[in-house]
Amino acid sequence: QQQVKQSPQSLIVQKGGISIINCAYENTAFDYFPWYQQFPGKGPALLIAIRPDVSEKKEGRFTISFNKSAKQFSLHIMDSQPGDSATYFCAASRADFNKFYFGSGTKLNVKP
Amino acid sequence: DAGVIQSPRHEVTEMGQEVTLRCKPISGHDYLFWYRQTMMRGLELLIYFNNNVPIDDSGMPEDRFSAKMPNASFSTLKIQPSEPRDSAVYFCASSPGGSLDYGYTFGSGTRLTVV
Repeated sequence: QQQVKQSPQSLIVQKGGISIINCAYENTAFDYFPWYQQFPGKGPALLIAIRPDVSEKKEGRFTISFNKSAKQFSLHIMDSQPGDSATYFCAASRADFNKFYFGSGTKLNVKP
Repeated sequence: DAGVIQSPRHEVTEMGQEVTLRCKPISGHDYLFWYRQTMMRGLELLIYFNNNVPIDDSGMPEDRFSAKMPNASFSTLKIQPSEPRDSAVYFCASSPGGSLDYGYTFGSGTRLTVV
C-alpha cells in the first residue's frame, strides 16, 4: 500500500513558469512532510519541509502548501529555471519515528 | 564532511553471483538507511539501523538480501544469490536523528545490473 501518492509523474514547464507537484497521504499520524530533489546520477537531497501547524512555507522560489483537512500538500516552484530540471519526491513521516515514506517522484523538465 | 560514501558506483554481475554494496555514513549520524530505487516502485526502504542495531527490516524483499552494520562508520548490503530483478539503484542514507528537520543525507547510489 502506497502511503504517499504523488502526481504528476512528469511535468514540462517553460522557463519562468510555475511548476506544481501534488501529494496526498492517508495516515493522519504523519506530521512532517519534506520534499527532496534528485539530479541524474545523484542521491535525493532535502529541498524544503513543512509541519502541519502551518499552511505554507516558502524558501526562495520554492513554496510548500499544506492542506491538513484534505491530507494534501504541494510544491510550487516559482519562476522555474532550466537548472530546476530534476526529479522531485515528496515524503511523509511521524516526528517520533525516523522513517520516511516517499512518493513515486515527478520528473520536471524546464524548457529554456 | 565528505557526505555519505557508497561503493561501488556501478556493479554489473551475473545472475547467481553474490553482490556486496558498501556504505560509510556521515560521522556522528546515528541512523543509517538502505533504499532501493526502480522506475516501477520508486524509492523503497529496505532496512534501517539505529546505533548499529537493525530496527526495521520489513522492506527487505527476501532472504537473499542481508544487511549488516558492524560499526558506526560502515554498513553493507549483500545479495546472495543475485537475480536480474534485483537490478536497481541502491541508496544509503544517514541521519543524525533527534529531529526530522535534519532530513536524510543520501549517498550517490550504487547502480546494480544483474545479467
